[in-house]
Parts: sequence; C-alpha cells; structure tokens
Amino acid sequence: QQPVQSPQAVILREGEDAVINCSSSKALYSVHWYRQKHGEAPVFLMILLKGGEQKGHEKISASFNEKKQQSSLYLTASQLSYSGTYFCGTEYGGYNKLIFGAGTRLAVHP
Amino acid sequence: EAQVTQNPRYLITVTGKKLTVTCSQNMNHEYMSWYRQDPGLGLRQIYYSMNVEVTDKGDVPEGYKVSRKEKRNFPLILESPSPNQTSLYFCASSNGGDYNEQFFGPGTRLTVL
Repeated sequence: QQPVQSPQAVILREGEDAVINCSSSKALYSVHWYRQKHGEAPVFLMILLKGGEQKGHEKISASFNEKKQQSSLYLTASQLSYSGTYFCGTEYGGYNKLIFGAGTRLAVHP
Repeated sequence: EAQVTQNPRYLITVTGKKLTVTCSQNMNHEYMSWYRQDPGLGLRQIYYSMNVEVTDKGDVPEGYKVSRKEKRNFPLILESPSPNQTSLYFCASSNGGDYNEQFFGPGTRLTVL
C-alpha cells in the first residue's frame, strides 16, 4: 500500500527544474507533500484532494491525476533552500490515516 | 507559538526497560499520530487518535501502546523495548477534515541496546 515515489534522488543546479512523482495502486482520497531537511521534522507543503481542490504554499505547485492515481510535485527555478527529502503521503479513506512514500532526496548545488 | 513538543529528544536505553515518549500540542487539534522513520522506509504510522479516548492502529503498531486521556497529549509507550525499535520517532497533530495537514514535533531519537 505504500505509495511509490520517483525518482529516489535528484541533483540539481540552482535555477533548474525538477518533478517528483508519487504513485498509488489504490484509489486515493488525498495526497500530501512534505519536505524534510536533515535533522529536522517534516514540514507541510501541499494537500491535493480528489476532485481537484488543493491547498499549499504559493511557490509550490503540484498536480493530482485521479485516473492514474498519481501526484506530481513541480519544483521550478530551484533554490539552495529546496534541498531536502520530499515525502508524499497518501490517504485512502479520509480518516487521517496517512501512508508515506520512501522519499525523494533532492540536492541543489550552486 | 503553535507547536508540537516531544520529550525526550534523545534517549538511549536497554532492552526490556519500559519507557514513555511524551507528545503535546497547543493547537487544539483533534487528530494526533505517531510515526517512526527508518532509512529507506520513509515515515510509517504507528498509532493515531481521532479524539480523546479514541485511538487506532497504524501500519506498525506491534510493541507500542498509546493513550489519549487529554486532547493535547498523546504519549507513546514502549512496555518492553527491543533493538528493532531503535528509530527516529515523530509525533504529529492535525485538525482533521479535508485539509488535515500534519504538524510534526521535533522528533525523538531512540536507541535500544
């Protein structure tokens, strides 16, 4: 049931773009995205709901493809501060039971 | 300041010695959860609670207990810790509903020898 994230790791230069994908084999109710910096707690980025609604930080964009049960996180014009591990969390029944993917490590270099 | 606090932040203990990790939130959130984080496995939910006295198992509940006697507190209890419970533990809270973003505590790094 754990969602599959891809790629596992990404290395970028400042200003480059990246896409992180999160796929589920089951029908999704919602998808969460979090970023975790080394030694810190995960921090909320965005929630995407079945049906198209979403809530998140202005500078982050993401999509939710209900047919494919897949969500993608778009990181454009990357900055050094984007470095960290990105986790998607999937919710299947709307009961606050989140299942997280294994994470995607992103490193942005000058 | 709105926050989730956990104590202790670091703990080294021995097999079989009962321990409790405390978690408290000051946001009046209905939902609280415990996760463990291990390299390559991401965050796995141990237990979650929808309200006072209402708890349910997550994906990896074996060897753990929880209680929710007050809305703000959600302690994690390891009655007889074993080395395979060495991990980084996070408590989280949320308001529930559709936009139930999780607010995570700072984490507790537990080592069981």
